[in-house]
Amino acid sequence: EVQLVESGGGLVQPGGSLSLSCAASGFVFTSYWIHWVRQVPGGGLVWVARVEADVSSTRYADSVRGRFTISRDNAKNTVFLQMRSLRAEDTAVYYCARSPDYSNSMDFWGQGILVSVSS
Amino acid sequence: DIVMTQSPLSLPVTPGEPASISCRSSQSLLHRKGYNNLDWYLQKPGQSPQLLIYLGSTRASGVPDRFSGSGSGTDFTLKISRVEAEDVGVYYCMQTLEAPITFGQGTRLEIK
Repeated sequence: EVQLVESGGGLVQPGGSLSLSCAASGFVFTSYWIHWVRQVPGGGLVWVARVEADVSSTRYADSVRGRFTISRDNAKNTVFLQMRSLRAEDTAVYYCARSPDYSNSMDFWGQGILVSVSS
Repeated sequence: DIVMTQSPLSLPVTPGEPASISCRSSQSLLHRKGYNNLDWYLQKPGQSPQLLIYLGSTRASGVPDRFSGSGSGTDFTLKISRVEAEDVGVYYCMQTLEAPITFGQGTRLEIK
């Protein structure tokens, strides 16, 4: 069974840091790119970042570039999103999703995890 | 960035009737190999998004054939031939041509 399980969310103060994890199972991890997509409660979907199977290749949304870092550990089938200098507008549910290698079509999504940035 | 614009934003539909959602991109999503870099997703209430259509018109695994995608270039349409109660939720188009990947605003389908 394909699974993507996010963890690490919670409440953090503005300016603080938080690290999310996405643990994958049930498929050949190295055949997929992994994305983070976020959603403000009641709002739309916003793409955040992507890491390709080759761990050195990453892309970011302008709103998070320089503050967020996406990485993956192919030995542990896990993707990370390190978030620094967090702002109130980063408050959202964060989903990890997979797309087949060389495609951006996200064919499976995790259940999502809430990140709240507030004092 | 490629801007994706959906219409309508709200869509009340009677069960058994057809439904149609439009998506327009600010630049062509047509790949030189002839396919379109356009996906459709459905987010049911309380759930994560799920892929319905990729490459503009290919149904994802397990998606009922009442769902169909069409269009090319900058204009795309998702059609549901006969809406069922389980189809309620928010539908999003998404361009996969280039980063940053961008979504439409979403269309909320509700049952009349």
